Amino acid sequence: GEDVEQSLFLSVREGDSSVINCTYTDSSSTYLYWYKQEPGAGLQLLTYIFSNMDMKQDQRLTVLLNKKDKHLSLRIADTQTGDSAIYFCAVPSGGSYIPTFGRGTSLIVHP
Amino acid sequence: SQTIHQWPATLVQPVGSPLSLECTVEGTSNPNLYWYRQAAGRGLQLLFYSVGIGQISSEVPQNLSASRPQDRQFILSSKKLLLSDSGFYLCAWTTGTNYGYTFGSGTRLTVV
Repeated sequence: GEDVEQSLFLSVREGDSSVINCTYTDSSSTYLYWYKQEPGAGLQLLTYIFSNMDMKQDQRLTVLLNKKDKHLSLRIADTQTGDSAIYFCAVPSGGSYIPTFGRGTSLIVHP
Repeated sequence: SQTIHQWPATLVQPVGSPLSLECTVEGTSNPNLYWYRQAAGRGLQLLFYSVGIGQISSEVPQNLSASRPQDRQFILSSKKLLLSDSGFYLCAWTTGTNYGYTFGSGTRLTVV
């Protein structure tokens, strides 16, 4: 099955850029996702990237996909305290639309 | 617009008691429905999913069961709760395409 790995914590200063990294094992996924979870809440779909793209930008968010290295990253520009949350990478296994979630990266933004 | 409702938001239950968590979806038909558990605020474990009424796939053998009595209703149950059933339970739906999940707000279950 799919194995999705993320670092558990990232601490940044307000205004800096944050980069959250994710590695996965199954290279046949069509879409790859990033979800955001604020304390005590459900997950919110933040953005996604189609597997034939290298980069997707959406306002302050930039998703980079390196299929050769099976590496996905989420960059948040001008990080704000409101960005503090847990960010999950989610990658479907080949032939399935059901994603495997990483353990989540807790982003802590210091003022 | 499509919305997903999950209740209750929090629940404290004694060991050995039954459980029933309910999830309903509005604004769509024939959704794929999912139950996940998140333990200790981390990692999501897929418990059950359903692609139609009465169709339930179990991903992890355990003390829980799921049912889908109506197209947009998904229920998570247990006859006798264990301490290890404590966690944050999330319901989600998708149309079955590749556009990601919509999650409910979750139920925090504490078994005491």
